[in-house]
Amino acid sequence: GESVGLHLPTLSVQEGDNSIINCAYSNSASDYFIWYKQESGKGPQFIIDIRSNMDKRQGQRVTVLLNKTVKHLSLQIAATQPGDSAVYFCAERKASNYQLIWGAGTKLIIKP
Amino acid sequence: KAGVTQTPRYLIKTRGQQVTLSCSPISGHRSVSWYQQTPGQGLQFLFEYFSETQRNKGNFPGRFSGRQFSNSRSEMNVSTLELGDSALYLCASSLASPKDTQYFGPGTRLTVL
Repeated sequence: GESVGLHLPTLSVQEGDNSIINCAYSNSASDYFIWYKQESGKGPQFIIDIRSNMDKRQGQRVTVLLNKTVKHLSLQIAATQPGDSAVYFCAERKASNYQLIWGAGTKLIIKP
Repeated sequence: KAGVTQTPRYLIKTRGQQVTLSCSPISGHRSVSWYQQTPGQGLQFLFEYFSETQRNKGNFPGRFSGRQFSNSRSEMNVSTLELGDSALYLCASSLASPKDTQYFGPGTRLTVL
């Protein structure tokens, strides 16, 4: 069935380093991809999105890359900070009904 | 502007009971979506409401239902609770369309004993 999955369930990086969180998707009929961050005890928080007609989009300290050829999405976080510790979800939006299909999540741990 | 609020934050029920969860969207938002989040299944879409009408529905049994009021507030109901219904239930609001960015509430943690 359709799925959006993550390569690594847990990623541990040193504070100040850059981190890359990866996501693979299987549904090619999508128009939009989103990254959310979920901190403990909170709901998911929107980080950045990208449309399927783009390859790259940059935000504040974050960059999302989309490779439609291999159906791969990544989130790069520059100069990670303790506040970046969270679970990161990628989500794909189906073009047919705009429903979001969510990945399993990657837990990012920032080491001091 | 206040964010999405959900009540109650925590709930403990026993099998066979029913439960009603409430969601107040961001002021001005008219679309409300509900999700179930479990460690094993991740985030699963339940349904989406707009203008008091269910516009989209996920693959959940009929025990899961919802409604939306004229002020855009939404409730979801789960009847005949099962152990597997234990989860974090998240509500998300967006301006008008599921195409718009969804903003999530903190969720209601439901435990079924």
